[in-house]
Parts: sequence; C-alpha cells; structure tokens
Amino acid sequence: QSVLTQPPSASGTPGQRVTISCSGSSSNIGSNIVNWYQQLPGTAPKLLIYGNNQRPSGVPDRFSDSKSGTSASLAISGLQSEDEADYYCAAWDDSLDGVVFGGGTKLTVL
Amino acid sequence: QPQLQESGPGLVKPSETLSLTCTVSGGSISSNNYYWGWIRQPPGKGLEWIGSIYYSGVTYYSPSLKSRVTISVDTSKNQFSLKLSSVTAADTAVYYCAHDNIGTIDYWGQGTLVTVSS
Repeated sequence: QSVLTQPPSASGTPGQRVTISCSGSSSNIGSNIVNWYQQLPGTAPKLLIYGNNQRPSGVPDRFSDSKSGTSASLAISGLQSEDEADYYCAAWDDSLDGVVFGGGTKLTVL
Repeated sequence: QPQLQESGPGLVKPSETLSLTCTVSGGSISSNNYYWGWIRQPPGKGLEWIGSIYYSGVTYYSPSLKSRVTISVDTSKNQFSLKLSSVTAADTAVYYCAHDNIGTIDYWGQGTLVTVSS
C-alpha cells in the first residue's frame, strides 16, 4: 500500500493528451513539492518533472504537471509511442520524515 | 552531473545481511546540500525509498525499514553504503543508489538485482 495513490494504468492513442493523477495528504503533497519519474522498460527511473513544473534538460515540454491541495497530476500532450512507460509521483512526507512514492501508473500507447 | 554505480553480492541468504556500495564519480560526495540515497524495487512492483545520508553522516531512514537499515558514507573513497539486516525473500529487489537533492532524486544508478534465497 503506497502512501501516494495513482491509478495502476492509463492509455491513449498517438497525438492524444493523457493525464495521470496522484493523491496524497497534507503531510506530503499538501506541503511539499511533487516530483514525477518515468521508468522505461528494463531501465532505471528518470526524473521527469520536479518542483513547480520544472523539467530537467532534455525533457520535452509535452510533459507538464499541476498541483491542487493534496493532489497532483502529470499531463502528457501529443502522446508518442516512446512515452509508453511506468510513471511514478513522489514527495517528501513531513510526518514520515522521508520520501514517499506512488504505486506507479503503467501508460500504454494504443 | 554525478554518475553512480552500485556494487555488491547478487545473492544473499535469508537472515543474513545485505551489503551494497555505491561509487560516485563526476562529483564530490561532500557537496553541500546534497544527500545520497537508496531506493529499491521488487520485481514487477513499485519504488520504495529506503533512506538517505548527508556527507556529514546525518541519515534519514524509511520508518518501515529503520530497525534493519544502516547507511554510511566514506568521503575518502567517494562512496556510500547500504546494510540491510535479517533479510527475507521480501527483500528481493533491484536496489538503486541515487543523488538526493533534498527530497528530489535527480540522478540514479543503473540498479543491481539482489535475490534473497538459500
């Protein structure tokens, strides 16, 4: 049981816009930044979005995030086949004094 | 940007201690304001944060693993290490070492699979 809640799966067709939700509480998403990670099959996770919708160098602006209260969302526009991966949200938790992850969402590009 | 490489046994017996080392290159492990952490991922499952350490030795551990985990740092070798005691099959996972930018894991090692089995 993960501290942050994500849907186990999501899907879309090429060119579509998809969103992945991440629900938490006042001790994590409600009071700290949310980070998003992309994990391609057989590889280590990669930081996708951090802080307030910041993208590391090389991450296209098709990826964006938003936060409201104790929930956050990752949006992928112009969906491409190479976006097929697992996506994880994460945040610092003030009560647990540590990083908490969502359970991950498997994105399928149809 | 730092590069991280995990090393250690790929097979550990139940009840024994899992030991892994992460070697950091491309940057000093003593850099201010950065932590160094461990995350694991059981086969087919999600990510679990284990803990992080500052170069001075200050540590943060996952409450669920705290009683069994020790993370240490060796600044002279630019390495940090993980020890997990009394392992069971549930500790079988890919273990990643990572650069922890105050709660944002921004650089990851490639990961190493550790299997707990007799």
